[in-house]
Amino acid sequence: QSALTQPASVSGSPGQSITISCIGTNGDIGNFNYVSWYQQLPGKAPKLMIYDVSNRPSGVSNRFSGSKSGNTASLTISGLQTEDEADYYCSSYTTRNTLVFGTGTKVTVL
Amino acid sequence: EVQLVESGGGLIQPGGSLRLSCAASGFTVTSNYMTWVRQAPGKGLEWVSIIYSGGGTFYADSVKGRFTISRDKSKNTLYLQMNSLRAEDTAVYYCAGQSRGYSGYQWGQGTLVTVSS
Repeated sequence: QSALTQPASVSGSPGQSITISCIGTNGDIGNFNYVSWYQQLPGKAPKLMIYDVSNRPSGVSNRFSGSKSGNTASLTISGLQTEDEADYYCSSYTTRNTLVFGTGTKVTVL
Repeated sequence: EVQLVESGGGLIQPGGSLRLSCAASGFTVTSNYMTWVRQAPGKGLEWVSIIYSGGGTFYADSVKGRFTISRDKSKNTLYLQMNSLRAEDTAVYYCAGQSRGYSGYQWGQGTLVTVSS
């Protein structure tokens, strides 16, 4: 049960766009359109930002968008804001009926 | 409003047992997929276990045979029975319930489990 691979850190200036990748395998991301993304602020529980690859829950800014191609999912944050500084995790179901999370990405706003 | 509240964490000696609870409101634990996820201090999220709406249960290899996930419809509560605890089980344990589409989960605030002598 290897974790999905994410870059350890991504940074950008206010107003810029950044993209976080999440690399899986045919046994997880590649097999399902059920990737989700979570934002975690320090000391807080994760918060759902994107579900089922590209759907945004009500209340989440439309600056957040998700996509998938093959075994790789991506989260894009456009118009980066200081409040977006956080850790981000992707997640997917697997062919073994389990869940798997990404290694996590720390987003820094310069 | 969906709310999940975990309890039952604490300090436990290696080899001991602990049962975590996750009380749900605005949400039915038997009608949705429910899962436990943990986060060791300073580390990333690690999936632990899931119980599907049909009752099927699955575990991470690291806890298989030691942890048991279950749910009580009458109390609308999810549980995680943890036996033979090890130092590496030290983490904040979150329960999460499927709330959006197929893969979107709502999370509780977490409960800290510390395994140490």
